[in-house]
Amino acid sequence: NAGVTQTPKFRILKIGQSMTLQCTQDMNHNYMYWYRQDPGMGLKLIYYSVGAGITDKGEVPNGYNVSRSTTEDFPLRLELAAPSQTSVYFCASSYGETKERTEAFFGQGTRLTVV
Amino acid sequence: GNSVTQMEGPVTLSEEAFLTINCTYTATGYPSLFWYVQYPGEGLQLLLKATKADDKGSNKGFEATYRKETTSFHLEKGSVQVSDSAVYFCALRNQGGKLIFGQGTELSVKP
Repeated sequence: NAGVTQTPKFRILKIGQSMTLQCTQDMNHNYMYWYRQDPGMGLKLIYYSVGAGITDKGEVPNGYNVSRSTTEDFPLRLELAAPSQTSVYFCASSYGETKERTEAFFGQGTRLTVV
Repeated sequence: GNSVTQMEGPVTLSEEAFLTINCTYTATGYPSLFWYVQYPGEGLQLLLKATKADDKGSNKGFEATYRKETTSFHLEKGSVQVSDSAVYFCALRNQGGKLIFGQGTELSVKP
């Protein structure tokens, strides 16, 4: 069981370039999340999705876009990379139907540097 | 809105010392509350959770009680080990599924 898989693990971008961070899960979870973690800081929610075709903004959505065309995949798009987007990005997923099944499972992270 | 506030770290303790990491939250409705742990170079993993007021979550000797009257979910352990050294995150999940985290507290346990 692979769980939550993020690709790539590392990436260096130049200012103004664009890229997509991939996230896929094989647990049939409805809920998926994208976070960024800056050094010495907590996780900040970028976007989340409660099911295929439904997305919503989190705490820090500016400069990012998402889509959720399938239950399994939740890619995060950076259109015009800026140095302020240098961070470690984590994808997570969870069930959501009952309070007892709300544990979130995390990927291993993508370390992005914008130069 | 929803928010989570944790005590700042780093926290440095000797082995077998008592641990408390404070967490308070702001939320509408009845959120679920969590503690997650992150070991170096890894993603987060669930430590414990509580889904309603007065629930106590527990795992691996760690405990936290959901206190609605004080909007708190403090993490405690009676006797920490070197292997408990990690970053600990308090989190809440509202009824709409939004999951947000506190800023994390780094714990270092010395032999």
